[in-house]
Amino acid sequence: EVQLVESGGGLVQPGGSLRLSCAAPGFTVSNNYMSWVRQAPGKGLEWVSIIYSDGATYYADSVKGRFTISRDTSKNTLYLQMNSLRAEDTAVYYCARAGRGGYDPFDYWGQGTLVTVSS
Amino acid sequence: DIQMTQSPSSLSASVGDRVTITCRASQSVISYLNWYQQKPGKAPKLLIYGASSLQSGVPSRFSGSGSGTDFTLTISNLQPEDFATYYCQQSYSDWTFGQGTKVEIK
Repeated sequence: EVQLVESGGGLVQPGGSLRLSCAAPGFTVSNNYMSWVRQAPGKGLEWVSIIYSDGATYYADSVKGRFTISRDTSKNTLYLQMNSLRAEDTAVYYCARAGRGGYDPFDYWGQGTLVTVSS
Repeated sequence: DIQMTQSPSSLSASVGDRVTITCRASQSVISYLNWYQQKPGKAPKLLIYGASSLQSGVPSRFSGSGSGTDFTLTISNLQPEDFATYYCQQSYSDWTFGQGTKVEIK
């Protein structure tokens, strides 16, 4: 069974850092495209970042230069390192599997982890 | 960047109704258009991919159509568990979501 389990969210001050993790029992992270999507309170979905199976990474303009997506093959885990956090980064962050091709939908999602940026 | 616009933003409907939600892209996304359902406090769930293909396990009352810039999600015979927010997403150039359509009980 495909599962995605996020962790690492919490309260952080503006300018601070946080690292989110997404464990994936049931399938191999490095064989798939994996993405992060966020949802601010009461708002819609916003794509944040993606890592391809070949290791290529892409980011939304709103997080470029501040966030870094990565994976650990030995732990079968996806990460999102978030630096220079701003109030507008406050959201539930979901990891999602994006299939094996650039046009694939996001077919499995984690339960989400809440990041709150506030002083 | 490709912008996705859904309409309406919300609608009220009754059990048994046929509901149609539209999604328009700012430029052609060919057929790389996906639909998701999200219930409060839950993660989104994939319903339709490639504009018209039904994801495994999704009831056949959900259907999708369209190509290019104009797409439609139809729910026939609306059920109580279908009251939720629906999002379209293009996966042709980066990944962009529509603003969502909330389907409420009339």
